[in-house]
Amino acid sequence: DVKVTQSSRYLVKRTGEKVFLECVQDMDHENMFWYRQDPGLGLRLIYFSYDVKMKEKGDIPEGYSVSREKKERFSLILESASTNQTSMYLCASSFAAAYGYTFGSGTRLTVV
Amino acid sequence: RKEVEQDPGPFNVPEGATVAFNCTYSNSASQSFFWYRQDCRKEPKLLMSVYSSGNEDGRFTAQLNRASQYISLLIRDSKLSDSATYLCVVICAQGAQKLVFGQGTRLTINP
Repeated sequence: DVKVTQSSRYLVKRTGEKVFLECVQDMDHENMFWYRQDPGLGLRLIYFSYDVKMKEKGDIPEGYSVSREKKERFSLILESASTNQTSMYLCASSFAAAYGYTFGSGTRLTVV
Repeated sequence: RKEVEQDPGPFNVPEGATVAFNCTYSNSASQSFFWYRQDCRKEPKLLMSVYSSGNEDGRFTAQLNRASQYISLLIRDSKLSDSATYLCVVICAQGAQKLVFGQGTRLTINP
């Protein structure tokens, strides 16, 4: 089975800090995604990547950036964390969307 | 208008009952459709794809109605373990790799 691993399950950061969320997948998938999930809003796509060093903005990229230096790793960066970025962050990877995504277990980030 | 819309619920039904919920999508060019299941405080997991002719997987039946742009999920003989949030998911364009998620429908099966 594909495994998608997110480095932290729970994270608490201060306003203004730079935050790195790491995601690693072990099945050589080219496609990787970062979502945030909030009550009443569902999953919203932040950024995605179809290949190494390639990135595309999703629906809510403001305040975020990403890095994909290696195929298996896709990092989400909060340049200057704000309280409205408190959320559940979910990473996913796929061989092709038609086969579905595999999600990591999520990182619950609280910005205080 | 949201690309994928679901009734958020919650749906509370007794064990053994049959429950169904729908999802509508706005893009008539949408190509592929799925139901995902998400347990409380867990990540979403693929439940089943939805095929044009409809498909079954045990107690679960998925249907697609392209004319009216909705998909449905029917759960028969519901179990306590079916309690979860069910996410309707759509690929909106041919060749696209992005899945678009509905908000989810929360289902609770009561003993």
